[in-house]
Amino acid sequence: GAVVSQHPSRVICKSGTSVKIECRSLDFQATTMFWYRQFPKQSLMLMATSNEGSKATYEQGVEKDKFLINHASLTLSTLTVTSAHPEDSSFYICSASWGGGAAGNTIYFGEGSWLTVV
Amino acid sequence: EDKVVQSPLSLVVHEGDTVTLNCSYEVTNFRSLLWYKQEKKAPTFLFMLTSSGIEKKSGRLSSILDKKELFSILNITATQTGDSAVYLCAVWNGANSKLTFGKGITLSVRP
Repeated sequence: GAVVSQHPSRVICKSGTSVKIECRSLDFQATTMFWYRQFPKQSLMLMATSNEGSKATYEQGVEKDKFLINHASLTLSTLTVTSAHPEDSSFYICSASWGGGAAGNTIYFGEGSWLTVV
Repeated sequence: EDKVVQSPLSLVVHEGDTVTLNCSYEVTNFRSLLWYKQEKKAPTFLFMLTSSGIEKKSGRLSSILDKKELFSILNITATQTGDSAVYLCAVWNGANSKLTFGKGITLSVRP
């Protein structure tokens, strides 16, 4: 099946610094990518939807100036957590959609990135 | 707001048992319901269901959707320890192209 690669898988950063997480679709062109956050024992919460070449659409309560999303090409989206704080520590997962994401088997998840802010 | 409720929240069984995992939903513009298995990493896709009453099957796993009663079940027969995971149910809203997840069901299969 299609592969979505997410990097880094784990990152520890100091409070106040910024961290960038990359999401790449390796064998297909992803018109839409989704960024999720998952706290321990919680479900995946959609943060934002990014479409190639346009601004991301953020979910209510997600600060767009804090979580910068860039989808500059059909194979790469990045999430930058700016001025990270310990409460931003979480598991961040991207998913990539091909063909508009109308069917579940065209939505593929990256491996996830564990962010720890100390 | 779209909503997905899964039950039970957690389940402990012994190898060889059969389990049924439940998922009920409310969505403004239903497109599909998806089941994922999540171990200590990102979810892996299991099934996508769009039509009522048609069972999807993959080995020991099967799933069915009831669009009238707005629920789905995921069955696992002859469970193995490798089935231990969190099972996530999600619904795809065709109007806004968003996937809403339930909280997941933690399944523990004991030897």
